[in-house]
Amino acid sequence: GDSVTQMEGPVTLSEEAFLTINCTYTATGYPSLFWYVQYPGEGLQLLLKATKADDKGSNKGFEATYRKETTSFHLEKGSVQVSDSAVYFCALSKDQGAQKLVFGQGTRLTINP
Amino acid sequence: KAGVTQTPRYLIKTRGQQVTLSCSPISGHRSVSWYQQTPGQGLQFLFEYFSETQRNKGNFPGRFSGRQFSNSRSEMNVSTLELGDSALYLCASSWGQGEAFFGQGTRLTVV
Repeated sequence: GDSVTQMEGPVTLSEEAFLTINCTYTATGYPSLFWYVQYPGEGLQLLLKATKADDKGSNKGFEATYRKETTSFHLEKGSVQVSDSAVYFCALSKDQGAQKLVFGQGTRLTINP
Repeated sequence: KAGVTQTPRYLIKTRGQQVTLSCSPISGHRSVSWYQQTPGQGLQFLFEYFSETQRNKGNFPGRFSGRQFSNSRSEMNVSTLELGDSALYLCASSWGQGEAFFGQGTRLTVV
């Protein structure tokens, strides 16, 4: 079946460091890919998405590029802030939208001042 | 615009009991999906309802059921609760083919 694999956490960085969280997927066809973020005590918020190969999603300084040849969707940010501390989830959907998401296990990110 | 509202936020139940969780989607959204989040299994899809019909179903036992009303509000029910059902249950709504917006979840503890 379809699956998503994220890099193991937790990840701890200093403020202004460069961030990469790796995400690879296994799926038939052409899934849409997403990154969601979960802050403590909250639900999930969509951070960015890409719906076809070579698309780049971006939001709030975060970026990820849909790489079909490597089945990857790695999340990057050039300079992290303390407020970026959260759990990040990579996900895929075979629907046009995101009604049936398959999630990775999540990566907890902590940014120290 | 009000977000997705889930009630109650916290719930404690005893093994063997049943529980009903509620989700009010964003106005105009016709699709409601439910997910279970646990430390061991992560986020897993339970089911999706669109216009009162179950459109997708995850791999959960029949003790987990749901329904959607004509105003798009949705409920999920878990019967004969087990300790392993302790989890954060998240609801997400969308207009049909667009972005899913998540509620804050209901944290269910089974004792």
